Amino acid sequence: DAKTTQPNSMESNEEEPVHLPCNHSTISGTDYIHWYRQLPSQGPEYVIHGLTSNVNNRMASLAIAEDRKSSTLILHRATLRDAAVYYCILRDNYNQGGKLIFGQGTELSVKP
Amino acid sequence: DGGITQSPKYLFRKEGQNVTLSCEQNLNHDAMYWYRQDPGQGLRLIYYSQIVNDFQKGDIAEGYSVSREKKESFPLTVTSAQKNPTAFYLCASSTQLTGDYGYTFGSGTRLTVV
Repeated sequence: DAKTTQPNSMESNEEEPVHLPCNHSTISGTDYIHWYRQLPSQGPEYVIHGLTSNVNNRMASLAIAEDRKSSTLILHRATLRDAAVYYCILRDNYNQGGKLIFGQGTELSVKP
Repeated sequence: DGGITQSPKYLFRKEGQNVTLSCEQNLNHDAMYWYRQDPGQGLRLIYYSQIVNDFQKGDIAEGYSVSREKKESFPLTVTSAQKNPTAFYLCASSTQLTGDYGYTFGSGTRLTVV
């Protein structure tokens, strides 16, 4: 399974943008890049996913490097409710049953 | 509203007992998954099923069993063979189509062995 590397923790100030990095140097051509976040004692919540092009939705933006070996999740204006553990995951839709293999994630704290 | 329901939210089990965790979805998703999460750790895959009457082992299947008799349901049994079953258990579902919109997770079952 292709692996991802994320910083263990990051801090942000409320109402400022946050850039959460993820390295995935062994990504294959059929791997989608998924991001999820998890609040304490809750199930993970889908945030965004992409394959090659940058993606935007109501929650966040995903910037994917041209060689696809890294990506960045962008929260445009952090709120206190964005404090969570963020997971960057590679999902192979064509093989391995489309499994999501979770790493340790980045714990984001947001200061008022 | 469509979603995925796990029950119970909290479960206590005596050592040596089997216990079954329920997971039901009404999203018409083909694939379902069970994960285990220990404190301060990421999620680890126990079992997954891509279609009714078929399932595959994940990374930590020992001491667990599953069934997939209906598309909507994917119960997980934690057997007495599981050495350290106290954990947070999460069920998820997804479509199997390309261009999917990711997994939907349940709210979890916290199992404690007493």
